Amino acid sequence: EAQVTQNPRYLITVTGKKLTVTCSQNMNHEYMSWYRQDPGLGLRQIYYSMNVEVTDKGDVPEGYKVSRKEKRNFPLILESPSPNQTSLYFCASSLGPRHYEQYFGPGTRLTVT
Amino acid sequence: RKEVEQDPGPFNVPEGATVAFNCTYSNSASQSFFWYRQDCRKEPKLLMSVYSSGNEDGRFTAQLNRASQYISLLIRDSKLSDSATYLCVVEGTGANNLFFGTGTRLTVIP
Repeated sequence: EAQVTQNPRYLITVTGKKLTVTCSQNMNHEYMSWYRQDPGLGLRQIYYSMNVEVTDKGDVPEGYKVSRKEKRNFPLILESPSPNQTSLYFCASSLGPRHYEQYFGPGTRLTVT
Repeated sequence: RKEVEQDPGPFNVPEGATVAFNCTYSNSASQSFFWYRQDCRKEPKLLMSVYSSGNEDGRFTAQLNRASQYISLLIRDSKLSDSATYLCVVEGTGANNLFFGTGTRLTVIP
């Protein structure tokens, strides 16, 4: 089954404790991205990757890091989480950035206290 | 001005009703437009792409008006299962961005 998986699905953590949210896709897509979704603000892109070892900032990259060492995986790293990073996070993959269907993972609900 | 603007609703309609959503966008150079559907606490999923000539998929019709820079989604004969949030998505100004609207919430009432 073609899918994007994310782990963990739910996470409650404390300010400053480093965490990683994993994302994996099995569709051989070159393009992957991370979004956060907040009430009244919609989905905003954090980082994206055009291919292995190619990553770039989206609209709201501050406080986040990513890596793309393998085509299928695109982890999101919060080195020092803060309460304003409490949000619902989605990983997505597609054949390309603009003209193609984006396949989203099931989401990770993060709470930083 | 936001890249993409939608009426947040909520739209509460009876089963069988016809409902229409509009979405305006700011980038006149955008070439790609989509409607996504998001169920409560779930991920967005593509409902349909929006083509210049307009397109229909069953009970759903999408239209693009480039002159006024808006896209629309029409749902005919609403079903209970249509209850969801509908996201308008537009190609962004950057090299690699899509911009998502905040969504319009639809509830179909029995």
